[in-house]
Amino acid sequence: DTEVTQTPKHLVMGMTNKKSLKCEQHMGHRAMYWYKQKAKKPPELMFVYSYEKLSINESVPSRFSPECPNSSLLNLHLHALQPEDSALYLCASSLLDRAYEQYFGPGTRLTVT
Amino acid sequence: KQEVTQIPAALSVPEGENLVLNCSFTDSAIYNLQWFRQDPGKGLTSLLLIQSSQREQTSGRLNASLDKSSGRSTLYIAASQPGDSATYLCAVRWETSGSRLTFGEGTQLTVNP
Repeated sequence: DTEVTQTPKHLVMGMTNKKSLKCEQHMGHRAMYWYKQKAKKPPELMFVYSYEKLSINESVPSRFSPECPNSSLLNLHLHALQPEDSALYLCASSLLDRAYEQYFGPGTRLTVT
Repeated sequence: KQEVTQIPAALSVPEGENLVLNCSFTDSAIYNLQWFRQDPGKGLTSLLLIQSSQREQTSGRLNASLDKSSGRSTLYIAASQPGDSATYLCAVRWETSGSRLTFGEGTQLTVNP
């Protein structure tokens, strides 16, 4: 099973809302990633967790707050977003870190109004 | 600067053709390279991972090659089918970049019946 699941599939939120994106994998992977993808552009790395510890933060604004409650779950908490944050948010995981394939989830399509 | 380039940006072929997608990278000190496909509005599907010590990897009708010295990788698709229509992304992990993937802009492939 090489599945990464993400919920919700679609999310529409106002600029004053607080919402969370969820990602889950049961492959025993110990590295998990959040990416942001704008239309017709490649994914951009936001955060990397390795062994449930934040190892990379690509200078993402604080209105995005990641959380890794355990080795199978990764959340992205959203607060006071801007319309330009509208994008496809992708989660990925890999067995460990760089030596291994990254497996991506289907993404959450976020629209900020 | 470490960059990944994919040419052409778009490609349209008739069904049954064998085709080659190109990926070039500016720094030959790579750790590995991963090819993905992405259907519109969907997540990324991992196709092949080539480690820096390998010259090629095969999976079904797909064959990916790696030439570090020339900074190139190619993805060969044999006997193309309409179901192969998607955007193909090449992503590089450099030796100095940890688990961070640097993506090319992708090649949008259309296979016409």
